[in-house]
Amino acid sequence: DAGVIQSPRHEVTEMGQEVTLRCKPISGHNSLFWYRQTMMRGLELLIYFNNNVPIDDSGMPEDRFSAKMPNASFSTLKIQPSEPRDSAVYFCASSLTRPPTDTQYFGPGTRLTVL
Amino acid sequence: GQNIDQPTEMTATEGAIVQINCTYQTSGFNGLFWYQQHAGEAPTFLSYNVLDGLEEKGRFSSFLSRSKGYSYLLLKELQMKDSASYLCAVSPGGSYIPTFGRGTSLIVHP
Repeated sequence: DAGVIQSPRHEVTEMGQEVTLRCKPISGHNSLFWYRQTMMRGLELLIYFNNNVPIDDSGMPEDRFSAKMPNASFSTLKIQPSEPRDSAVYFCASSLTRPPTDTQYFGPGTRLTVL
Repeated sequence: GQNIDQPTEMTATEGAIVQINCTYQTSGFNGLFWYQQHAGEAPTFLSYNVLDGLEEKGRFSSFLSRSKGYSYLLLKELQMKDSASYLCAVSPGGSYIPTFGRGTSLIVHP
């Protein structure tokens, strides 16, 4: 299995620009998670999907952030407009069913730098 | 709310044993995870405890005491490749989604 796939791996953009991060979960997994990791705040959950439906988006910082999961094999996290404080590593993870029953498998992450 | 505490950094010698502690306060409890994260890489699953006691898996063991809100990860026969950040994550009641601690950076030196 290829594991969780994320693209791009690195993104450098200027403040105010739109950023779209992409994720392909492991085939057959029903749960998908978007996390953000920074030195200051550690790993924070942004949003959780189950069977393509957003279940918990309480971690989404503000209206500038949005996430979609149009089908079982694809999800996007969009930031519009981006700000320097959004600079972080964004991880996508998937699990067979919901935690804690099943382990989360993390993708390699997207390192976002907003100048 | 939830609160998860772990030491920021630890150092140890190759071949030694190290114990990384994690204390937590959560609303309900549905299990505790340990993840390993090498610099620049994604977290990878190490262990899951939901009942009190010690779970052993090769060189790594994880212990849980629910009454004390306490867990530790024990690494034996340390190797240089064990240098990484170790994340404690607790699955609370209700949402089940694990909340991660800030992680403990372990440095193993010769």
